[in-house]
Amino acid sequence: EVQLVESGGGLVQPGGSLRLSCEAAGFTFSDYWMHWVRQAPGKGLVWVSRINKDGSSTISADAVKGRFTISRDNAKNTLYLQMNSLRGDDSAVYFCAREGDWNDVSMDVWGKGTTVSVSS
Amino acid sequence: SSELTQPPSVSVSPGQTARITCSGETLARQHGFWYQQKAGQAPIMVIYRDSGRPSGIPERFSGSSSGTTVTLTITAVQAEDEADYYCQSTDSATSFGGVFGGGTKLTVL
Repeated sequence: EVQLVESGGGLVQPGGSLRLSCEAAGFTFSDYWMHWVRQAPGKGLVWVSRINKDGSSTISADAVKGRFTISRDNAKNTLYLQMNSLRGDDSAVYFCAREGDWNDVSMDVWGKGTTVSVSS
Repeated sequence: SSELTQPPSVSVSPGQTARITCSGETLARQHGFWYQQKAGQAPIMVIYRDSGRPSGIPERFSGSSSGTTVTLTITAVQAEDEADYYCQSTDSATSFGGVFGGGTKLTVL
Protein backbone atom coordinates (compact mmCIF):
# COMPACT_ATOMS: atom_id res chain seq x y z
CA GLU A 1 0.00 0.00 0.00
CA VAL A 2 1.29 3.44 -0.94
CA GLN A 3 1.71 5.41 2.28
CA LEU A 4 3.21 8.64 3.62
CA VAL A 5 3.60 9.13 7.36
CA GLU A 6 4.62 12.49 8.79
CA SER A 7 6.19 13.03 12.20
CA GLY A 8 8.10 15.64 14.16
CA GLY A 9 5.37 18.17 14.84
CA GLY A 10 4.83 19.75 18.23
CA LEU A 11 4.78 22.93 20.27
CA VAL A 12 7.69 25.33 19.76
CA GLN A 13 8.36 28.89 20.89
CA PRO A 14 8.57 31.76 18.39
CA GLY A 15 12.02 31.91 16.92
CA GLY A 16 12.57 28.21 17.50
CA SER A 17 13.27 25.36 15.11
CA LEU A 18 11.66 22.05 14.25
CA ARG A 19 12.39 19.29 11.75
CA LEU A 20 9.53 17.39 10.18
CA SER A 21 9.95 13.96 8.63
CA CYS A 22 7.84 12.06 6.14
CA GLU A 23 8.47 8.35 5.69
CA ALA A 24 7.35 6.82 2.40
CA ALA A 25 6.32 3.22 1.80
CA GLY A 26 4.76 1.15 -0.96
CA PHE A 27 6.46 2.88 -3.89
CA THR A 28 9.95 3.69 -5.18
CA PHE A 29 10.54 6.94 -3.31
CA SER A 30 13.50 8.01 -5.45
CA ASP A 31 11.31 8.00 -8.58
CA TYR A 32 9.11 10.87 -7.41
CA TRP A 33 9.27 14.60 -6.76
CA MET A 34 7.83 15.47 -3.35
CA HIS A 35 6.04 18.38 -1.66
CA TRP A 36 5.15 19.92 1.67
CA VAL A 37 1.76 21.61 1.98
CA ARG A 38 0.37 23.28 5.11
CA GLN A 39 -3.04 24.21 6.45
CA ALA A 40 -3.56 26.68 9.28
CA PRO A 41 -6.51 26.01 11.60
CA GLY A 42 -9.77 26.68 9.75
CA LYS A 43 -7.93 27.87 6.65
CA GLY A 44 -7.15 26.53 3.19
CA LEU A 45 -4.29 24.54 1.76
CA VAL A 46 -1.04 26.39 1.09
CA TRP A 47 1.82 24.98 -0.95
CA VAL A 48 5.15 25.22 0.92
CA SER A 49 8.03 23.47 -0.85
CA ARG A 50 8.93 21.06 -3.65
CA ILE A 51 12.00 18.90 -4.25
CA ASN A 52 13.12 16.89 -7.24
CA LYS A 53 13.92 13.20 -7.32
CA ASP A 54 17.56 13.32 -6.23
CA GLY A 55 17.29 16.37 -3.99
CA SER A 56 19.44 18.59 -6.18
CA SER A 57 16.71 21.12 -6.92
CA THR A 58 14.23 22.74 -4.55
CA ILE A 59 11.81 25.64 -4.46
CA SER A 60 9.83 27.18 -1.63
CA ALA A 61 7.01 29.66 -1.22
CA ASP A 62 7.99 33.25 -0.51
CA ALA A 63 6.46 33.05 2.98
CA VAL A 64 9.02 30.46 4.09
CA LYS A 65 11.97 31.19 1.82
CA GLY A 66 15.19 31.55 3.79
CA ARG A 67 13.63 29.94 6.89
CA PHE A 68 12.46 26.50 5.74
CA THR A 69 14.56 23.91 3.88
CA ILE A 70 13.18 20.84 2.14
CA SER A 71 15.48 17.85 1.72
CA ARG A 72 15.33 14.09 1.26
CA ASP A 73 17.25 10.90 1.98
CA ASN A 74 16.40 8.36 -0.70
CA ALA A 75 18.30 5.61 1.13
CA LYS A 76 15.90 6.07 4.05
CA ASN A 77 12.80 6.77 1.92
CA THR A 78 12.32 9.94 3.93
CA LEU A 79 11.44 13.55 3.14
CA TYR A 80 12.33 16.36 5.56
CA LEU A 81 11.34 19.93 6.27
CA GLN A 82 13.75 21.90 8.46
CA MET A 83 11.90 24.89 9.88
CA ASN A 84 13.87 27.73 11.50
CA SER A 85 12.90 31.14 12.87
CA LEU A 86 9.36 29.93 13.40
CA ARG A 87 6.54 32.45 13.76
CA GLY A 88 2.97 32.24 14.95
CA ASP A 89 1.62 32.20 11.42
CA ASP A 90 3.59 29.03 10.74
CA SER A 91 1.19 27.16 13.05
CA ALA A 92 -0.54 24.59 10.87
CA VAL A 93 -0.98 20.98 9.95
CA TYR A 94 1.89 20.08 7.61
CA PHE A 95 1.20 17.47 4.95
CA CYS A 96 3.77 15.74 2.80
CA ALA A 97 2.61 14.69 -0.64
CA ARG A 98 3.91 12.73 -3.59
CA GLU A 99 3.92 14.45 -6.95
CA GLY A 100 1.73 12.95 -9.64
CA ASP A 101 3.30 11.29 -12.64
CA TRP A 102 2.17 13.86 -15.21
CA ASN A 103 5.07 16.31 -15.47
CA ASP A 104 2.95 18.90 -13.64
CA VAL A 105 3.11 20.32 -10.14
CA SER A 106 0.50 18.16 -8.43
CA MET A 107 -0.03 15.87 -5.44
CA ASP A 108 -1.48 12.41 -6.00
CA VAL A 109 -0.79 10.84 -2.59
CA TRP A 110 -0.98 12.63 0.76
CA GLY A 111 0.03 11.81 4.30
CA LYS A 112 -2.30 12.44 7.24
CA GLY A 113 -0.26 15.41 8.43
CA THR A 114 1.60 16.51 11.55
CA THR A 115 0.65 19.53 13.64
CA VAL A 116 3.01 22.40 14.38
CA SER A 117 2.07 24.97 17.00
CA VAL A 118 4.19 28.08 17.47
CA SER A 119 3.44 29.83 20.73
CA SER A 120 5.12 31.19 23.83
CA SER B 1 3.17 34.49 -7.57
CA SER B 2 0.00 33.25 -9.30
CA GLU B 3 -3.47 33.35 -7.75
CA LEU B 4 -6.44 31.01 -8.13
CA THR B 5 -9.95 32.20 -7.23
CA GLN B 6 -12.79 29.92 -6.11
CA PRO B 7 -16.24 30.73 -4.70
CA PRO B 8 -16.23 30.26 -0.90
CA SER B 9 -19.32 28.09 -0.90
CA VAL B 10 -21.70 26.11 -3.11
CA SER B 11 -24.92 24.47 -1.94
CA VAL B 12 -26.97 21.82 -3.73
CA SER B 13 -29.65 19.29 -2.88
CA PRO B 14 -28.97 15.56 -3.17
CA GLY B 15 -29.25 14.35 -6.75
CA GLN B 16 -28.57 17.76 -8.25
CA THR B 17 -25.42 18.87 -10.09
CA ALA B 18 -22.75 20.94 -8.36
CA ARG B 19 -20.30 23.07 -10.31
CA ILE B 20 -17.26 24.68 -8.71
CA THR B 21 -15.15 27.10 -10.71
CA CYS B 22 -11.52 28.12 -10.34
CA SER B 23 -10.06 31.08 -12.20
CA GLY B 24 -6.54 32.34 -12.66
CA GLU B 25 -4.16 33.49 -15.35
CA THR B 26 -1.85 30.53 -14.78
CA LEU B 27 -4.63 28.19 -15.98
CA ALA B 28 -4.22 29.54 -19.50
CA ARG B 29 -0.85 27.78 -19.65
CA GLN B 30 -0.90 25.17 -16.89
CA HIS B 31 -3.19 22.26 -16.04
CA GLY B 32 -5.61 22.35 -13.15
CA PHE B 33 -6.02 19.73 -10.44
CA TRP B 34 -8.83 19.25 -7.90
CA TYR B 35 -8.70 17.90 -4.36
CA GLN B 36 -11.45 16.90 -1.95
CA GLN B 37 -10.90 17.33 1.77
CA LYS B 38 -13.43 16.05 4.27
CA ALA B 39 -13.44 17.36 7.81
CA GLY B 40 -10.41 16.21 9.78
CA GLN B 41 -8.93 14.26 6.87
CA ALA B 42 -6.10 14.67 4.42
CA PRO B 43 -6.95 15.85 0.90
CA ILE B 44 -7.38 13.38 -1.94
CA MET B 45 -7.04 14.11 -5.64
CA VAL B 46 -10.32 13.84 -7.56
CA ILE B 47 -9.34 15.37 -10.93
CA TYR B 48 -5.94 15.56 -12.62
CA ARG B 49 -4.82 17.57 -15.64
CA ASP B 50 -8.13 19.45 -15.97
CA SER B 51 -10.36 16.46 -16.71
CA GLY B 52 -8.70 13.16 -15.78
CA ARG B 53 -10.20 11.04 -13.04
CA PRO B 54 -7.84 9.02 -10.81
CA SER B 55 -8.54 5.37 -10.18
CA GLY B 56 -11.17 4.89 -7.50
CA ILE B 57 -12.86 8.27 -7.97
CA PRO B 58 -16.58 7.93 -8.83
CA GLU B 59 -17.67 8.77 -12.37
CA ARG B 60 -19.95 11.53 -11.08
CA PHE B 61 -16.80 13.64 -10.65
CA SER B 62 -15.65 15.36 -13.85
CA GLY B 63 -13.55 18.34 -14.83
CA SER B 64 -13.27 20.77 -17.71
CA SER B 65 -11.16 23.71 -18.77
CA SER B 66 -11.75 26.84 -20.81
CA GLY B 67 -9.30 29.71 -21.06
CA THR B 68 -8.33 30.80 -17.58
CA THR B 69 -11.01 28.78 -15.78
CA VAL B 70 -11.27 25.16 -14.74
CA THR B 71 -14.52 23.67 -13.46
CA LEU B 72 -15.23 20.71 -11.22
CA THR B 73 -18.64 19.14 -11.84
CA ILE B 74 -20.28 16.64 -9.53
CA THR B 75 -23.42 15.11 -11.01
CA ALA B 76 -26.10 13.45 -8.89
CA VAL B 77 -24.52 14.79 -5.71
CA GLN B 78 -24.61 12.54 -2.68
CA ALA B 79 -24.46 13.45 1.00
CA GLU B 80 -20.97 11.94 1.21
CA ASP B 81 -19.71 14.54 -1.29
CA GLU B 82 -20.03 17.30 1.30
CA ALA B 83 -16.46 18.55 1.72
CA ASP B 84 -14.03 21.33 0.92
CA TYR B 85 -12.74 21.34 -2.65
CA TYR B 86 -9.48 22.95 -3.71
CA CYS B 87 -8.12 23.66 -7.17
CA GLN B 88 -4.36 23.70 -7.71
CA SER B 89 -1.95 24.47 -10.50
CA THR B 90 1.64 25.37 -11.27
CA ASP B 91 2.72 28.87 -10.33
CA SER B 92 3.41 30.40 -13.73
CA ALA B 93 5.70 32.98 -12.12
CA THR B 94 8.23 30.25 -11.37
CA SER B 95 6.99 27.28 -13.48
CA PHE B 96 8.30 25.17 -10.64
CA GLY B 97 6.20 25.91 -7.56
CA GLY B 98 2.58 25.24 -6.75
CA VAL B 99 -0.47 27.34 -5.96
CA PHE B 100 -3.87 26.47 -4.47
CA GLY B 101 -7.20 28.19 -4.70
CA GLY B 102 -8.81 29.35 -1.48
CA GLY B 103 -11.18 26.38 -1.37
CA THR B 104 -14.93 25.92 -1.80
CA LYS B 105 -17.18 24.44 0.86
CA LEU B 106 -19.74 22.17 -0.81
CA THR B 107 -22.85 21.81 1.31
CA VAL B 108 -25.39 19.09 0.49
CA LEU B 109 -28.73 20.40 1.71
